[in-house]
Amino acid sequence: EIVLTQSPATLSLSPGERATLSCRASQSVDIYLAWYQQKPGQAPRLLMYDASNRATGIPARFSGSGSGTDFTLTISSLEPEDFAVYYCQQRYMWPQTFGGGTKVEIK
Amino acid sequence: EVQLLESGGGLVQPGGSLTLSCAASGFTFSSYIMSWVRQAPGKGLEWVSAISASGDTTYYADSVKGRFTLSRDNSKNTLFLQMDSLRAEDTAIYYCAETVVTSAFLGYWGQGTLVTVSS
Repeated sequence: EIVLTQSPATLSLSPGERATLSCRASQSVDIYLAWYQQKPGQAPRLLMYDASNRATGIPARFSGSGSGTDFTLTISSLEPEDFAVYYCQQRYMWPQTFGGGTKVEIK
Repeated sequence: EVQLLESGGGLVQPGGSLTLSCAASGFTFSSYIMSWVRQAPGKGLEWVSAISASGDTTYYADSVKGRFTLSRDNSKNTLFLQMDSLRAEDTAIYYCAETVVTSAFLGYWGQGTLVTVSS
C-alpha cells in the first residue's frame, strides 16, 4: 500500500501567518491527492482534491500544489477557524490511504 | 441536502461481531461509491473499505481484510459494514462517507458511530 507521510506533525503559528503543510507519498500518486480539515468533535471536511483544486465553498486562502510524490497545502493567512488537524489522502491505488495528519495550533 | 446517518455502534467483546449501518438521503445513493473511514481515540484517520455504486466490487484495508464485509442495499439507500473477529485495535469512531463525482474523493461524511472492543 502507499504510505503518506505528513510533516510537520505540529505547526505552531499565529493568526495572519502563512502555513505550509507537506505530504510525501512512498510512490507516485500522480495528482490524485486530497486534503481534509478536521476540527475537534467533527467529521473531516474535504478542502482540496487532485492536488490543486479547491472543493466547493473552500476559501481562496487555501491552495494546494504538487504531483508524483511531493505535495503541499498552503494557507496564505491563517484565520482563527483554520486551527485544526489536516490530513492528506490518496486515491491513486487501492487501498486508499491517509497521512498521519498535521495539527495547526495557535502559537 | 446530503445526509449520512451511521448507527449500530456500541460495546462488543474481543472476538465478537457488530454490524454498522449508514442511512443515506438527499442524493441518488445507487450512483455513488461509498466508503467507511475510522478514527481511533486521539489518533488519525484510517481508510477502511469502499464499495462500488452497484455493490459488485469492494475494497478493504489490509488491517480488516477477511474480517469485515461491506455491502449495500440500493433499494433502501443503506450501507452496511459487517465486522467479525473484532479486536481491541478496531476501537474507533466509524465514519460513513460518499465519494463525490466532481472530485472522486470523500465529499460528504456522517457524524460517525463509536465502536468499542473491550472485555
